[in-house]
Amino acid sequence: SSELTQDPAVSVALGQTVRITCQGDSLRSYYVSWYQQKPGQAPVLVIYGKNNRPSGIPDRFSGSSSGNTTSLTITGAQAEDEADYYCNSRDNSGNHLVFGGGTKLTVL
Amino acid sequence: EVQLVESGGGLVQPGRSLRLSCTASGFTFGDYVMSWFRQAPGKGLDWVGFIRRKPYGGTTEYAASVKGRFTISRDDSKSIAYLQMNSLKTEDTAVYYCSRGLTPDTAEYFQHWGQGTLVTVSS
Repeated sequence: SSELTQDPAVSVALGQTVRITCQGDSLRSYYVSWYQQKPGQAPVLVIYGKNNRPSGIPDRFSGSSSGNTTSLTITGAQAEDEADYYCNSRDNSGNHLVFGGGTKLTVL
Repeated sequence: EVQLVESGGGLVQPGRSLRLSCTASGFTFGDYVMSWFRQAPGKGLDWVGFIRRKPYGGTTEYAASVKGRFTISRDDSKSIAYLQMNSLKTEDTAVYYCSRGLTPDTAEYFQHWGQGTLVTVSS
């Protein structure tokens, strides 16, 4: 079982804003990274640390956190944002990594 | 350009061994922690383990599900990371990815991934 909890599925209307959340005790101590994965492809890092985007990631992707919950927000979702999204962080020991179970985002 | 290429996957019987390779280019391999991940068919991402840089002893960390069966090593002269998998189980069937962290010394924020190699454990 994962130590990070995500909603299995979320949907958003085209152009609207959607928030994908990740909960876990270790998030009180460690930052999270978010990955987008489309079918048959390797994951892509979209947000890391407090709220950082790697080069090439659109600014409609942003991150935030409060307590044991971290969120990935897509402001103005596009059709190409339809994918699985995974959060990743350290576990409570700090030496191991854990993923959330993933959230399947559908853009309607 | 950073490139990571996994190889060595295939069909293997339960209880047997397999070694995966991750060949890197486009960066100074020895400066980075190298990590392995896997994804079972239709399932989510799982962390397998990582190996630290030589200045930090080249030590390793593993997920509980593979500890004692899998071993990660590195050959900095060849820019290759290895994942030796022993006593394979059917539940080890997955696409295996290697990855490099965003910055040296960190096993987090994985910006660079290989294309993955499929390991199927079946009799």
